[in-house]
Amino acid sequence: EADIYQTPRYLVIGTGKKITLECSQTMGHDKMYWYQQDPGMELHLIHYSYGVNSTEKGDLSSESTVSRIRTEHFPLTLESARPSHTSQYLCASSERTGGETQYFGPGTRLLVL
Amino acid sequence: KNQVEQSPQSLIILEGKNCTLQCNYTVSPFSNLRWYKQDTGRGPVSLTIMTFSENTKSNGRYTATLDADTKQSSLHITASQLSDSASYICVVSDRGSTLGRLYFGRGTQLTVWP
Repeated sequence: EADIYQTPRYLVIGTGKKITLECSQTMGHDKMYWYQQDPGMELHLIHYSYGVNSTEKGDLSSESTVSRIRTEHFPLTLESARPSHTSQYLCASSERTGGETQYFGPGTRLLVL
Repeated sequence: KNQVEQSPQSLIILEGKNCTLQCNYTVSPFSNLRWYKQDTGRGPVSLTIMTFSENTKSNGRYTATLDADTKQSSLHITASQLSDSASYICVVSDRGSTLGRLYFGRGTQLTVWP
């Protein structure tokens, strides 16, 4: 099993609140990713990072932001949560560029009321 | 447009039976194809990976095949177990960018009944 962790696993929060989803990996991987997944749907890439101080937006537009201050840590922040943000958020990491295997965390299920 | 289509959308089988899941893709240029297993409430876990030159890969009771000419892949599960109940996701990687972008199918939801 991959050494990649996400907290919290479940979060129920009211509209307008600021939230941060944590993701950490102990594999020393340079590349990290955030995906959004709705039930029965495919994963959509919302953010990725090639390494420290590198962050890029993915294919799916998202109001969230990310930071990469340390190799092992890639938190995702929503400044003002809305019901449309309700989804599952999956963090992943991989060793290097170019089609290598991504290792996924267990995910955070977010419900915004 | 790069796409990955999976069928069936859902499947119910009895414990001990075999089943085959299908994946068709249009991703180009092709780098590799993976099958992931995603248990409910968990992140996906890689089962197999195949490159252009490989046409079959096994991992225990899971056997994946790849036909790069027709851009089709299948995942065959032998002697199914209750623990095989999960979503099986086909993921294709392109080699047209430094990111090695992944294209995800929507998955086949497999339910194994006792």
